[in-house]
Amino acid sequence: DAKTTQPPSMDCAEGRAANLPCNHSTISGNEYVYWYRQIHSQGPQYIIHGLKNNETNEMASLIITEDRKSSTLILPHATLRDTAVYYCIVFRLTDSWGKLQFGAGTQVVVTP
Amino acid sequence: DTAVSQTPKYLVTQMGNDKSIKCEQNLGHDTMYWYKQDSKKFLKIMFSYNNKELIINETVPNRFSPKSPDKAHLNLHINSLELGDSAVYFCASSSPIGGNEQFFGPGTRLTVL
Repeated sequence: DAKTTQPPSMDCAEGRAANLPCNHSTISGNEYVYWYRQIHSQGPQYIIHGLKNNETNEMASLIITEDRKSSTLILPHATLRDTAVYYCIVFRLTDSWGKLQFGAGTQVVVTP
Repeated sequence: DTAVSQTPKYLVTQMGNDKSIKCEQNLGHDTMYWYKQDSKKFLKIMFSYNNKELIINETVPNRFSPKSPDKAHLNLHINSLELGDSAVYFCASSSPIGGNEQFFGPGTRLTVL
């Protein structure tokens, strides 16, 4: 599975958009980009995933570059409850199961 | 209703003891996982079961033995506990239907003294 690179930390003001970058330059054609987050002392939580098109759900938007070597997770209106570690993971969806390879992630702190 | 539940939430025990952590999911998923998060906060997969069959077994000491009595349960038994086993253990489940996203339990914090 391809590796990902994320900044170790970033701050965001409450109510503003948070843009979280992720590099995955060795991603294969059949690998998806998944985002999870882990709020302190809780289990990881799925946010969104995509292959090559931009995706949006009730939590976030995912923008994947045309060459698929990088992506950005956008939290449109960050709240204090969005403070968490955010993980960008590339994952092959061809299997009915699969192991998520978590990196160090990005610690996002949303401030009032 | 809790989707993925684990018991106990906290477990404190002495070195050399044997302990079990239980996991149950009510999502109807076929696949369940165990992850370990150490003190440096890195999450690593340990095992995965699909329809009660072991499909992923990372480099984990054989003191760790997962058991899946049915699709909804995946328990983790640990023999001869060591100090280095202290960590938070997360159970998860997933289904190929939809996005194959994994749903995680709240975690079990194991402390070995």
